Amino acid sequence: GQSLEQPSEVTAVEGAIVQINCTYQTSGFYGLSWYQQHDGGAPTFLSYNALDGLEETGRFSSFLSRSDSYGYLLLQELQMKDSASYFCAVGSGNTGKLIFGQGTTLQVKP
Amino acid sequence: NAGVTQTPKFRVLKTGQSMTLLCAQDMNHEYMYWYRQDPGMGLRLIHYSVGEGTTAKGEVPDGYNVSRLKKQNFLLGLESAAPSQTSVYFCASGTGTGLAQFGPGTRLTVT
Repeated sequence: GQSLEQPSEVTAVEGAIVQINCTYQTSGFYGLSWYQQHDGGAPTFLSYNALDGLEETGRFSSFLSRSDSYGYLLLQELQMKDSASYFCAVGSGNTGKLIFGQGTTLQVKP
Repeated sequence: NAGVTQTPKFRVLKTGQSMTLLCAQDMNHEYMYWYRQDPGMGLRLIHYSVGEGTTAKGEVPDGYNVSRLKKQNFLLGLESAAPSQTSVYFCASGTGTGLAQFGPGTRLTVT
């Protein structure tokens, strides 16, 4: 089966940097993706890693280590609007499933 | 492009009633997914489809059925609703690699 582990809550101050970790177990790993969800809204795609290394998209970066079954999302220059839930997800090439972690609630304080 | 749309946005059902949730996408994606999200919880995969005419079970399929008769549509059915199915339901479509676009969600309450 597939499973993902990520911290349930993270708190940081405006302007700081925060890292949200994700470890996964899956067969037929295809890639690790990250989604953001604000309260009452739908998840929106943030970033995707299929290969080892760092992907940068503006203030957000995502890292993957396939050998360690580990990845993280890095948010820089935190803003109040970054307060949201962040989910990692793994896609399985074998089955086509897209499975999500339980989510990390990020609270950004002034 | 409308992206992914879901109907209805809200629904209240009584225990034992049936309903169908409709998801439509205009991005020509092969893969479509139905998730449920309960308060403070992650997204749990109910059923998914890897192409027109195909469906497969996800993590929590019991009590739900799905159909994918057309590539752009993915229907989720509840044959006999139960209070435990009170949730927010999200549909998503994607390329099968981990990139997916979500619909706005359907808030379902079963009394």
